[in-house]
Amino acid sequence: GDSVTQMEGPVTLSEEAFLTINCTYTATGYPSLFWYVQYPGEGLQLLLKATKADDKGSNKGFEATYRKETTSFHLEKGSVQVSDSAVYFCALRDSNYQLIWGAGTKLIIKP
Amino acid sequence: GAGVSQSPRYKVAKRGQDVALRCDPISGHVSLFWYQQALGQGPEFLTYFQNEAQLDKSGLPSDRFFAERPEGSVSTLKIQRTQQEDSAVYLCASSLDGNTEAFFGQGTRLTVV
Repeated sequence: GDSVTQMEGPVTLSEEAFLTINCTYTATGYPSLFWYVQYPGEGLQLLLKATKADDKGSNKGFEATYRKETTSFHLEKGSVQVSDSAVYFCALRDSNYQLIWGAGTKLIIKP
Repeated sequence: GAGVSQSPRYKVAKRGQDVALRCDPISGHVSLFWYQQALGQGPEFLTYFQNEAQLDKSGLPSDRFFAERPEGSVSTLKIQRTQQEDSAVYLCASSLDGNTEAFFGQGTRLTVV
C-alpha cells in the first residue's frame, strides 16, 4: 500500500541555519503531497501542498517540490527561526480522501 | 465555531471502561475524519463521514470502536472495553469536501490504565 517515509528526528539547528527535512513516498497512483506542522500544544496545520509533479508548494518561507522521478517531497527553508520549532509531518493523499502520514520529524531551533 | 473543537482534551480511563470522544467540526464542513496517533508516530486513518453517512470505517482497529455523526455535524467516537493499546491521541478533522484542505482539532489524549 501507499506509504510515506521521512527522516527521523530530532533535528537540531541554530537560528538562521538552512533546513532540509527529507520525505519520500510510495504510491500506486498520482498522489497529492502535503507538509503539516504541529506547534507545541496546538493541532496539526497545513503548511504547504503540491498536487502534481514539478509543483512547488511554499508558505512562511518553507518550500517543497514534488519530484516524481525520485518520489520525494523534501521540505526546505533558507533561514530558520526559533519559532519554527515544531513537529513536521509529510503526508500524501492518493485516489481517495485518506491522508497517509510519515512518522513526523521534531525540529529544534536554538537561538 | 472558528475551528475544529474536540473534547475532552485529556481522558484517563481504567481498562475495561467505555469512553466517548466528541468532535465539533467547522460549521458547514461536509467531510469529517477520525485519526489515531500513537506516541512518536504519524496519524492513522480510522473513519470518514460525508454528512451523516459513514462512508469508510476500514481503519477502525476492532469492533470495540464505533463512530457516529447522526445529524451530519457533531461526531462521537466511542471505544468500548478500553485496552492499554488504545492509549493514543485521537484526532478529528473536517473539510468542505473530501478533497479540500482538512482542518484538525487539537485532539483528545486517551490514557488507559
